Amino acid sequence: DQQVKQNSPSLSVQEGRISILNCDYTNSMFDYFLWYKKYPAEGPTFLISISSIKDKNEDGRFTVFLNKSAKHLSLHIVPSQPGDSAVYFCAASGGRDAGGTSYGKLTFGQGTILTVHP
Amino acid sequence: KAGVTQTPRYLIKTRGQQVTLSCSPISGHRSVSWYQQTPGQGLQFLFEYFSETQRNKGNFPGRFSGRQFSNSRSEMNVSTLELGDSALYLCASSHLGLAGGPQEQFFGPGTRLTVL
Repeated sequence: DQQVKQNSPSLSVQEGRISILNCDYTNSMFDYFLWYKKYPAEGPTFLISISSIKDKNEDGRFTVFLNKSAKHLSLHIVPSQPGDSAVYFCAASGGRDAGGTSYGKLTFGQGTILTVHP
Repeated sequence: KAGVTQTPRYLIKTRGQQVTLSCSPISGHRSVSWYQQTPGQGLQFLFEYFSETQRNKGNFPGRFSGRQFSNSRSEMNVSTLELGDSALYLCASSHLGLAGGPQEQFFGPGTRLTVL
């Protein structure tokens, strides 16, 4: 039961163009979504996040869009650079304990390999 | 601020042995989560500790356990190692507050465990 899915295993983009990475989720309890970038044998690096009360969040070249009705989010990278080449994971979290504190459990998608060609 | 640190970075063990991995979170972070990454299963949640209490556990056998100390440092232990336990083990820390607030987790470099 994969609650977070990234249906594109790979994406190839020319330098300077837009990269769009997609992610779908099934669990309605998720209320926070994150994107991470990862290189082999390293820990994921946090890129950008969005709360379920928003539909867009922007940080420099990175923008995340959330469509709650479709249970879909996407990461836009504009303009793409060769240094962006890596594996990108979307992740989701949700739920809280009796004290109201968010749980620190992320559910990850399978990742998308982004290659940006010079 | 120093990032999340994990020790050791690499470990080779044989089947049946046990192993303990250590994680030091970012200063001020009370939540520490552990994840396993394998080529076949991707990144999977193991467990989360918050203020020395395990709040969540993933779908892993009881051979996988952990604990958190009063300074928020955490350890995870795997007993009776199996070949399938070979993986990258990642620790992440976060400054969690009330639900709806920022929930970013920051990862360490991981410990690469090889079971022979």
